[in-house]
Amino acid sequence: QVHLQESGPGLVKPSETLSLTCTVSGASISSYYWSWIRQPPGKRLEWIGYVYYSGSTNYNPSLKSRVTISVDTSKNQLSLKLSSVTAADTAVYYCARFGPFGSAHDPLDIWGQGTMVTVSS
Amino acid sequence: DIQMTQSPSSLSASVGDRVTISCRASQSISTYLNWYQQKPGKAPKVLIYAASSLQSGVPSRFSGSGSGTDFTLTISSLQPEDFATYYCQQSYSAPTLFGPGTKVDIK
Repeated sequence: QVHLQESGPGLVKPSETLSLTCTVSGASISSYYWSWIRQPPGKRLEWIGYVYYSGSTNYNPSLKSRVTISVDTSKNQLSLKLSSVTAADTAVYYCARFGPFGSAHDPLDIWGQGTMVTVSS
Repeated sequence: DIQMTQSPSSLSASVGDRVTISCRASQSISTYLNWYQQKPGKAPKVLIYAASSLQSGVPSRFSGSGSGTDFTLTISSLQPEDFATYYCQQSYSAPTLFGPGTKVDIK
């Protein structure tokens, strides 16, 4: 059974960089697209971007200037870095897999439990 | 970007009711439309993918239809565990955007 687990600081100061890791267990990270999604309190889901196991990426234009998503196949992990954060970046952050067919047109079929990140001094 | 809208934004229904939720895309997305259910404090769960395909393990009371720009999620007989928020999502092109959600609560 595939399991995704997000990890990282729950509190980040304004103007700093938010860094999260998603560890994939129960399956290889290879041959799939992997995504980060966030959800501010009481708001809709917002897609941040995706990474293919090869390292190619695609980002939401609204966040593109501040986002870096990468993959480490040796550790079966993907990571998210979001720079120059403000209070508007306070949200639950999820990692998820586009699956099960290995296409970026797939649904997000497996999700992590999510991790709350608060931006505050 | 392809924008997604949903209606209604919320609805109240009783156990056993038939519930219909609509989703509209700002341009044609063929059948690249997925539906998710989210309960408070939990990650979303995919119910329907490719507009009308039922995800493995999802009860058959959930169904989806539509193509192009207009889509529908139907719950044929609402069960207590179905009270949740439902989101549509287009996977036709990046950025893959979600609708604003429809909250289904108990009448």
